[in-house]
Amino acid sequence: QKEVEQNSGPLSVPEGAIASLNCTYSDRGSQSFFWYRQYSGKSPELIMSIYSNGDKEDGRFTAQLNKASQYVSLLIRDSQPSDSATYLCAVITNRDDKIIFGKGTRLHILP
Amino acid sequence: ETGVTQTPRHLVMGMTNKKSLKCEQHLGHNAMYWYKQSAKKPLELMFVYSLEERVENNSVPSRFSPECPNSSHLFLHLHTLQPEDSALYLCASSQDLARLGPEQYFGPGTRLTVT
Repeated sequence: QKEVEQNSGPLSVPEGAIASLNCTYSDRGSQSFFWYRQYSGKSPELIMSIYSNGDKEDGRFTAQLNKASQYVSLLIRDSQPSDSATYLCAVITNRDDKIIFGKGTRLHILP
Repeated sequence: ETGVTQTPRHLVMGMTNKKSLKCEQHLGHNAMYWYKQSAKKPLELMFVYSLEERVENNSVPSRFSPECPNSSHLFLHLHTLQPEDSALYLCASSQDLARLGPEQYFGPGTRLTVT
């Protein structure tokens, strides 16, 4: 099993709708989770970090963490065309304190 | 602008060339990282430095040689690369190592093409 898994997409969402991005991880004891946004040809940009079970909201973004089920998700409300990008999930594993990235999910917001 | 700069932004080199990538961070961070990003693959961590000391080398071939002269600068020296080394090379920094202060800030990357 891959350490951090994401659906590669593309995920197409109409403008104004909620985009839901999911990520699962294999190391049960992991404690730190991140979402990065990467526009085509650009470097990753940190948009959310989450460490505790539950929801964390920041503007239009909500990160959700469920350690029992080993998944973390990112919700984007009122999706805008400018949200079109690849979203990378990253996890710091408990096993060896390494940060592991998923392959990313490509999100396309349809105008 | 994240406070992490990289030069050059684009580099084309032959397999027999020697070149260096440079990274500089203006954030006062203590840890710096080199990543490789190839198409359709996850980001691959190559090297980690904390307070100028290398703490991790993820089985990277010796044709890649890192150097960290101080906590603000990081270099990646390249020699006798292979075409499969063509990728985006990203530098990142964080306040401390991942297990202590994990939020990483990335530079814009160097797009490397090996011919």
